[in-house]
Amino acid sequence: NAGVTQTPKFRILKIGQSMTLQCTQDMNHNYMYWYRQDPGMGLKLIYYSVGAGITDKGEVPNGYNVSRSTTEDFPLRLELAAPSQTSVYFCASSLAGTELLLEKLFFGSGTQLSVL
Amino acid sequence: DQQVKQNSPSLSVQEGRISILNCDYTNSMFDYFLWYKKYPAEGPTFLISISSIKDKNEDGRFTVFLNKSAKHLSLHIVPSQPGDSAVYFCAAYSGYALNFGKGTSLLVTP
Repeated sequence: NAGVTQTPKFRILKIGQSMTLQCTQDMNHNYMYWYRQDPGMGLKLIYYSVGAGITDKGEVPNGYNVSRSTTEDFPLRLELAAPSQTSVYFCASSLAGTELLLEKLFFGSGTQLSVL
Repeated sequence: DQQVKQNSPSLSVQEGRISILNCDYTNSMFDYFLWYKKYPAEGPTFLISISSIKDKNEDGRFTVFLNKSAKHLSLHIVPSQPGDSAVYFCAAYSGYALNFGKGTSLLVTP
């Protein structure tokens, strides 16, 4: 019963490097989300997807790209890493985006990323 | 611009007493609110929610109160237990996703 799996758990990048944060869920959820949490701050929505092939920007999309080729996977791509992207990244999924179903919003355990 | 605000970064309470965590919001269009609990090195997990048609919702030791006119909600934990020590996030439903506050770190001491 894996739920939402994120890899890697930790990563250190140099400025200008690129990387992909992986997220996969095995619950057949349609909605998937990427949030970032900066120290002492709440979670901010980067991108979300309502189903395979459909993605949309959240509150803080700049510097990131996403794709959703399958229901299970929702990778987050950083093309040119910057120190401002140092954060903890959480992937989440839910069956749908209605308020009741967001009570069943399942989060992964997070990826701690440092850009130096 | 933070639309969901948790102005107390931390709270310390003795075991057995009441913990009260506060949350304010600025967007009057928000009509559904949720509390999430987060332990270190884990993702947040759902705790309790409230719809704007209610002013109170209870689930065991957890009660959430909503004051729409003041745009304020609070989470009460009675009695508090050491296992309740975690970061608590208030969130508001924004039509397709959740809008989170900064969180309040609760420490329950024996």
